[in-house]
Amino acid sequence: AQSVAQPEDQVNVAEGNPLTVKCTYSVSGNPYLFWYVQYPNRGLQFLLKYITGDNLVKGSYGFEAEFNKSQTSFHLKKPSALVSDSALYFCAVRAPLMDSSYKLIFGSGTRLLVRP
Amino acid sequence: EAQVTQNPRYLITVTGKKLTVTCSQNMNHEYMSWYRQDPGLGLRQIYYSMNVEVTDKGDVPEGYKVSRKEKRNFPLILESPSPNQTSLYFCASSLTGQGDNNSPLHFGNGTRLTVT
Repeated sequence: AQSVAQPEDQVNVAEGNPLTVKCTYSVSGNPYLFWYVQYPNRGLQFLLKYITGDNLVKGSYGFEAEFNKSQTSFHLKKPSALVSDSALYFCAVRAPLMDSSYKLIFGSGTRLLVRP
Repeated sequence: EAQVTQNPRYLITVTGKKLTVTCSQNMNHEYMSWYRQDPGLGLRQIYYSMNVEVTDKGDVPEGYKVSRKEKRNFPLILESPSPNQTSLYFCASSLTGQGDNNSPLHFGNGTRLTVT
């Protein structure tokens, strides 16, 4: 079965420190992976995606994610956290459907709290 | 401004009283989808639509209906709401849901529904 796991409900980090939000996946075929961020009272916003190519993907707001095929992981990272990065982060994997369409399967979300 | 607009933002209703949550996008997107977000469960897909007059069930369609008479609109209908449908609902759209196109989803700001 195709799935996405975010093992941490919450990640706490001090401003200025590096942050990592973990994501592992299980999917048949080539994985297409995404990260979205949700700020309070808002919908999800696209951060970055991995389709093919370099294992390190750069996205919006200084975030990047590292694709690791052997570990089936796609961890979100940022070298220096900001208080304004505090939000709910979702990892998602593209799952192909029988009719050649696809859907996104989302993880359960990880709340990032950056303290001043 | 490119956006997905949902209305209302907040809705409190009673069991059995039919309601509709509207969703409209101004990006000429083919693909639209409804999700519900519940704590610890992430986002689960309710229904999706590949194009006008083409809709299909997602993972949790029971108790919901949708229609896609026009490209821009994708209303979510609860014919007889029940308390277990209390949730945060998101509409989303993307350019297409077909094949290898990996255009990101654009989300509305959400509708918080409470059914008593």
